[in-house]
Amino acid sequence: GESVGLHLPTLSVQEGDNSIINCAYSNSASDYFIWYKQESGKGPQFIIDIRSNMDKRQGQRVTVLLNKTVKHLSLQIAATQPGDSAVYFCAENIDRSGGSNYKLTFGKGTLLTVNP
Amino acid sequence: DAGITQSPRHKVTETGTPVTLRCHQTENHRYMYWYRQDPGHGLRLIHYSYGVKDTDKGEVSDGYSVSRSKTEDFLLTLESATSSQTSVYFCAISREGPSTDTQYFGPGTRLTVL
Repeated sequence: GESVGLHLPTLSVQEGDNSIINCAYSNSASDYFIWYKQESGKGPQFIIDIRSNMDKRQGQRVTVLLNKTVKHLSLQIAATQPGDSAVYFCAENIDRSGGSNYKLTFGKGTLLTVNP
Repeated sequence: DAGITQSPRHKVTETGTPVTLRCHQTENHRYMYWYRQDPGHGLRLIHYSYGVKDTDKGEVSDGYSVSRSKTEDFLLTLESATSSQTSVYFCAISREGPSTDTQYFGPGTRLTVL
């Protein structure tokens, strides 16, 4: 069935280290993936997205990797900073023929804590 | 927050009372969404709109109704609030549908039903 999950509910890293947050999905029909960052008391903030015809996409200090063979998505944050402390979650969209393609399925999130 | 405002930001109400939450956008995006966020569940879609007066149900629509009379406003109504509707509600917008465009979220409304 449809599921988006995260391997680790919490991740603690030292400032300056690289962080890797993982996400597994179960539906091979998923064709669009998004990573969001959510700080306490705020709405989710778009970080980066990737489509299923790509394996990798880079942004500013962030890289998303998509492995369709094992249905795995990861977010890499380079040189993690205290301001990166937040909950990160992935979302997937499943391509539905027939036009009803409104739905994103969200993971529950990983709490990233950056220690100074 | 991508030109999205939500009102009120916080509300406490009693069981059985009607509640309306408002989402306002200045981006002229076609799609608007209402989600609720609860611990252990992540974001769940309540209703969405794909144009003025065009709405459809999400996965947790029972007890909620929506209306969209203008492009910029999307209202969520709890006709008779229950304690199970205590949650944080987020509005989101996208220019196109979710398979082609990302969704941008508002700041949220924290609703407590006593």
